[in-house]
Amino acid sequence: DVKVTQSSRYLVKRTGEKVFLECVQDMDHENMFWYRQDPGLGLRLIYFSYDVKMKEKGDIPEGYSVSREKKERFSLILESASTNQTSMYLCASSPGRGRVTDTQYFGPGTRLTVL
Amino acid sequence: AQTVTQSQPEMSVQEAETVTLSCTYDTSENNYYLFWYKQPPSRQMILVIRQEAYKQQNATENRFSVNFQKAAKSFSLKISDSQLGDTAMYFCAFMKHVPQGGSEKLVFGKGTKLTVNP
Repeated sequence: DVKVTQSSRYLVKRTGEKVFLECVQDMDHENMFWYRQDPGLGLRLIYFSYDVKMKEKGDIPEGYSVSREKKERFSLILESASTNQTSMYLCASSPGRGRVTDTQYFGPGTRLTVL
Repeated sequence: AQTVTQSQPEMSVQEAETVTLSCTYDTSENNYYLFWYKQPPSRQMILVIRQEAYKQQNATENRFSVNFQKAAKSFSLKISDSQLGDTAMYFCAFMKHVPQGGSEKLVFGKGTKLTVNP
């Protein structure tokens, strides 16, 4: 089975702190994604990556950056956390180029609270 | 840009009955994929069912089936014999087909919260 793990289920940070959210997948997937989920807004794509060291902006990249130094790991960085970044953050991965399936597999999520 | 609309924020159904969740989408693409994802309370999001736009036959997975109407851009999910474990948020999602070498983006609806009552 595909396994996508996220470093924390719950995280509490203070305004202005630098925050790292880590995501690891164990299925050699090429594509990885970061979403945030807010009530009434569904899931919105922050950033995605289709290869090591490659990244593309999603729909709401402002205030975030990402890093993908290794294929299995995709990090989301909040350079200076703000209260409006309090949310549930979901990581996902999918097989990628030339593969049969396009299904995305999700991690359990990190609920981030910024005080 | 593609958009996905789920017009029912909340629904409820009695155990063992059938319920249908609605989803419409807007796209100018001809080749794409549609998905229903399920997110149980405090649990991981998982894929329920997927449909390729080029296939006329509606996808089915056990008690879950879809009614895909390409011309109407409609993609509803039918859950038969509802079970308590079906209680979850359900998200409809769209992905356009990307030729080999490209990347994939899912566009999600805002979700429908389904409660199955005993």
